[in-house]
Amino acid sequence: AQSVTQLDSQVPVFEEAPVELRCNYSSSVSVYLFWYVQYPNQGLQLLLKYLSGSTLVKGINGFEAEFNKSQTSFHLRKPSVHISDTAEYFCAVSLGGSEKLVFGKGTKLTVNP
Amino acid sequence: NAGVMQNPRHLVRRRGQEARLRCSPMKGHSHVYWYRQLPEEGLKFMVYLQKENIIDESGMPKERFSAEFPKEGPSILRIQQVVRGDSAAYFCASSPPSGRLFGEQYFGPGTRLTVT
Repeated sequence: AQSVTQLDSQVPVFEEAPVELRCNYSSSVSVYLFWYVQYPNQGLQLLLKYLSGSTLVKGINGFEAEFNKSQTSFHLRKPSVHISDTAEYFCAVSLGGSEKLVFGKGTKLTVNP
Repeated sequence: NAGVMQNPRHLVRRRGQEARLRCSPMKGHSHVYWYRQLPEEGLKFMVYLQKENIIDESGMPKERFSAEFPKEGPSILRIQQVVRGDSAAYFCASSPPSGRLFGEQYFGPGTRLTVT
């Protein structure tokens, strides 16, 4: 069965600093990969997705992620964070042809002034 | 185009009562998924439905939980005889016919269930 590991449960950074949120997955078949953001007491909003093609994926709010098949990783990056990026970020995978998403436990990003 | 709607947003039930959570998918979406988020956990898949059909309920607890998506009206997640361990946020997602095989899902704001 596939699984998703988000290595950091909490990441504190200062405003305007770069950030990387790590995500690794395990699967023996091809997968589709997603990053979602959840602001306090809200639902999940899709940041970006990798389905096929270029391994560097750009999403909303200046985020991007790189799919690395050999390392089974899909790390999320932003070169310069804002206070408003404070939220919880979830990595998710779906197997090709499967209709359900498997989520990691989430990473709480806190951006400090 | 309105997003996925869920109601109520907050629901408080005493132990032993029933909880009914509603989800209206985005316009044009006929596939609905329910996920549960326990404190400090990611979302866990519960059930996947199409209109009048349960396609995959592999994540549903065997007892007390049921889901439906009738021909008309919203999808309903029903929890009978709630216990404190059912306290969680329940999220509904929907996907378009073309996107479902790619895991493309759009989430509602969730219903936060508190069992006292």
